[in-house]
Amino acid sequence: AQKITQTQPGMFVQEKEAVTLDCTYDTSDPSYGLFWYKQPSSGEMIFLIYQGSYDQQNATEGRYSLNFQKARKSANLVISASQLGDSAMYFCAMREEGTGANNLFFGTGTRLTVIP
Amino acid sequence: DAGITQSPRYKITETGRQVTLMCHQTWSHSYMFWYRQDLGHGLRLIYYSAAADITDKGEVPDGYVVSRSKTENFPLTLESATRSQTSVYFCASRSLSSLKETQYFGPGTRLLVL
Repeated sequence: AQKITQTQPGMFVQEKEAVTLDCTYDTSDPSYGLFWYKQPSSGEMIFLIYQGSYDQQNATEGRYSLNFQKARKSANLVISASQLGDSAMYFCAMREEGTGANNLFFGTGTRLTVIP
Repeated sequence: DAGITQSPRYKITETGRQVTLMCHQTWSHSYMFWYRQDLGHGLRLIYYSAAADITDKGEVPDGYVVSRSKTENFPLTLESATRSQTSVYFCASRSLSSLKETQYFGPGTRLLVL
């Protein structure tokens, strides 16, 4: 089974509007971390936001917030006041803290296009 | 320069040739990782290393070899390149300072196997 599922291959949003990118995850590890990364056309992976499984509040970083619904195993990224520079691929990822690998499991990504 | 670097950034090779992708980090992070990125798959773990001289397989290790004789370097070798290994390769590192510590990614190496 996929550990991270991103069901939206592509999304469009009007500039200055908010957009939600969906992410669901699957794990039996009680301790895990959820991450969102942005990959612009230049190719680098840019860390955006982190949510720990024991965090009581949803994470926020500037215009990015994470809508964490633990019971539903979802960790949606909300981008407020979209800007043209937000056009990129967005990846949701999870790290299971109980494993020794410490690696990230990635979803297949969502391509966001911001329309002027 | 501080950070994590990869070389070469672009590489074209032929099937059957040996190719080594280099990764260097200046933070002395314990963990280092190699991922490959392919359309429709996101990033998948090839190998990882928890410390110098400690390496282990990830999700897609076949056809790859790694070594880590020094903390800062983590080269990835394709012993006999195949067309299916055409991909973008990302090296990453992470410290263990806190659970929320992210992985830091290198700029990637685009490999084309003809």
